[in-house]
Amino acid sequence: GEDVEQSLFLSVREGDSSVINCTYTDSSSTYLYWYKQEPGAGLQLLTYIFSNMDMKQDQRLTVLLNKKDKHLSLRIADTQTGDSAIYFCAESPNSGGYQKVTFGTGTKLQVIP
Amino acid sequence: DTAVSQTPKYLVTQMGNDKSIKCEQNLGHDTMYWYKQDSKKFLKIMFSYNNKELIINETVPNRFSPKSPDKAHLNLHINSLELGDSAVYFCASSQGGLAAGGFFGPGTRLTVL
Repeated sequence: GEDVEQSLFLSVREGDSSVINCTYTDSSSTYLYWYKQEPGAGLQLLTYIFSNMDMKQDQRLTVLLNKKDKHLSLRIADTQTGDSAIYFCAESPNSGGYQKVTFGTGTKLQVIP
Repeated sequence: DTAVSQTPKYLVTQMGNDKSIKCEQNLGHDTMYWYKQDSKKFLKIMFSYNNKELIINETVPNRFSPKSPDKAHLNLHINSLELGDSAVYFCASSQGGLAAGGFFGPGTRLTVL
């Protein structure tokens, strides 16, 4: 079945860049997502990328996709304390229909002031 | 205005009891979901409804029964609660099938004693 893996924890200093990595196994993945979960809150979609793209940039966020290695990363530039949260990678096989979405295990980002 | 709301936010109950969690969305979306997040932050889809019809039903014990009285509501009823049911349950909604592009509720933390 589908599997999405992430490292569990990342600690960075305020102002540095953060890079959160994710690997997935489903070669039919079409959409790949990054979600943010703040303490006590639901998940918030940050950004997503189509599998035919290599990179997507959105303000401080840069998503890189290596489809050959099935590797996805999220880079947060100039990391702030408000970026402290759990970040989930997710993938889905197609855009139409009612596909299942597989979430990763989540990476807890700690930003040190 | 809250986009996706859940009640209650916290639920503490004894094993063997029956309980319900309610979810409402005011976004006009046609698809709603229930996800379960366990203590290790694994997030798994349980059910999905589109226009009040069940479209995703993962391998979930039949003690869990979703009910969608209308497009804006998706409730989750759990019979004979067990210790392993303790988790945070998230409701989500989306328009069409892009499940991961939806909005998540704040979660209901269920503790079974």
